[in-house]
Amino acid sequence: DTGVSQDPRHKITKRGQNVTFRCDPISEHNRLYWYRQTLGQGPEFLTYFQNEAQLEKSRLLSDRFSAERPKGSFSTLEIQRTEQGDSAMYLCASSLAPTEDGYTFGSGTRLTVV
Amino acid sequence: DQQVKQNSPSLSVQEGRISILNCDYTNSMFDYFLWYKKYPAEGPTFLISISSIKDKNEDGRFTVFLNKSAKHLSLHIVPSQPGDSAVYFCAASASHNFNKFYFGSGTKLNVKP
Repeated sequence: DTGVSQDPRHKITKRGQNVTFRCDPISEHNRLYWYRQTLGQGPEFLTYFQNEAQLEKSRLLSDRFSAERPKGSFSTLEIQRTEQGDSAMYLCASSLAPTEDGYTFGSGTRLTVV
Repeated sequence: DQQVKQNSPSLSVQEGRISILNCDYTNSMFDYFLWYKKYPAEGPTFLISISSIKDKNEDGRFTVFLNKSAKHLSLHIVPSQPGDSAVYFCAASASHNFNKFYFGSGTKLNVKP
């Protein structure tokens, strides 16, 4: 078990470009979560999946954001037409659902929009 | 509007002494609380949790206290060790929705040798 993997670790992009991040959860975990953390703040919920179904989305997830988990395994988070305000750490987590023991987080993808 | 607040951005404690990290919440629907620890360049890791049916939960050097009437919880670390130096986040959820946690902004703990 290698834990939750996120790729890339860092991404610098120009404003207006599209970016895509990948998350590989712990293999037996059927729930997958995306959170966003901006500087000086705690993680904020974006969305979660149970298997391949996206069951809840935050209002933070504007129409420029889309997340998929096509086969119930890895997930991608795409941001279209990036803005400077999208600069943040994007955290992925997974769990056996639902759980009282919190999630297992990945190390995150740090996005910088210039 | 932040529903979970950690009003102390940082805390410095001498090794061997007690560290007390505080957290306040506003949503009375929250009935499950967790603490996460985060080292630089790593994701948060689960530390300890407490349900609202309890007012205390212990795990080794870590104890979480919950005061429901004050909507306040605290994490006590005794004795503090230099390896405890990290950012600590509290998080809360309503028990019907463990899929969505609300996090505080974190407290950076520095344990001095």
